[in-house]
Amino acid sequence: KQEVTQIPAALSVPEGENLVLNCSFTDSAIYNLQWFRQDPGKGLTSLLLIQSSQREQTSGRLNASLDKSSGRSTLYIAASQPGDSATYLCAVSRNSGGYQKVTFGTGTKLQVIP
Amino acid sequence: DTGVSQDPRHKITKRGQNVTFRCDPISEHNRLYWYRQTLGQGPEFLTYFQNEAQLEKSRLLSDRFSAERPKGSFSTLEIQRTEQGDSAMYLCASSLATATNYGYTFGSGTRLTVV
Repeated sequence: KQEVTQIPAALSVPEGENLVLNCSFTDSAIYNLQWFRQDPGKGLTSLLLIQSSQREQTSGRLNASLDKSSGRSTLYIAASQPGDSATYLCAVSRNSGGYQKVTFGTGTKLQVIP
Repeated sequence: DTGVSQDPRHKITKRGQNVTFRCDPISEHNRLYWYRQTLGQGPEFLTYFQNEAQLEKSRLLSDRFSAERPKGSFSTLEIQRTEQGDSAMYLCASSLATATNYGYTFGSGTRLTVV
């Protein structure tokens, strides 16, 4: 059974700081790993998708890395802004009975202080 | 069609009542998923459709829960005889079966409160 852990559970940083969110998973046989953002009471917005054959993906101030062998991914946020305040969820996809089964972590709640 | 749509956004119901939620996936996506998310937790898998076929159901999906996807388009999730423990955000996602590299697209969710 795939288990996904995100550390820390909560993080508070001053505006402008660079930060790293961590995600670890127990089963390295994955299709892809996806990072999502969730604002309070809202649905999930996809940020970055890393294929199992890739090492990293970048979008603007966001960079996500993947190390399958060690079961780890990191989401790097550069020059953080108050608008980045949200919960960040890591989701790992693998084959289960012929379909793409996704397991989520419990998220890291980020607060960027102006 | 710009994304996954869910209706309603919020639902407050009395314990024991039945509720039904609707999800309209991205039109070309043939896979549709329902997830449930409680406060402070990540989403938990409930069920999955490929076209109109329901291919997997989680143990979380008790007999009071039923999901359908007629004609492989929109899907409905019904909860009968609601209990307070059913209060959660119900999320729908869709994906393309032939493109595992595309990942999931989620809707905005339906927040259910059972009083």
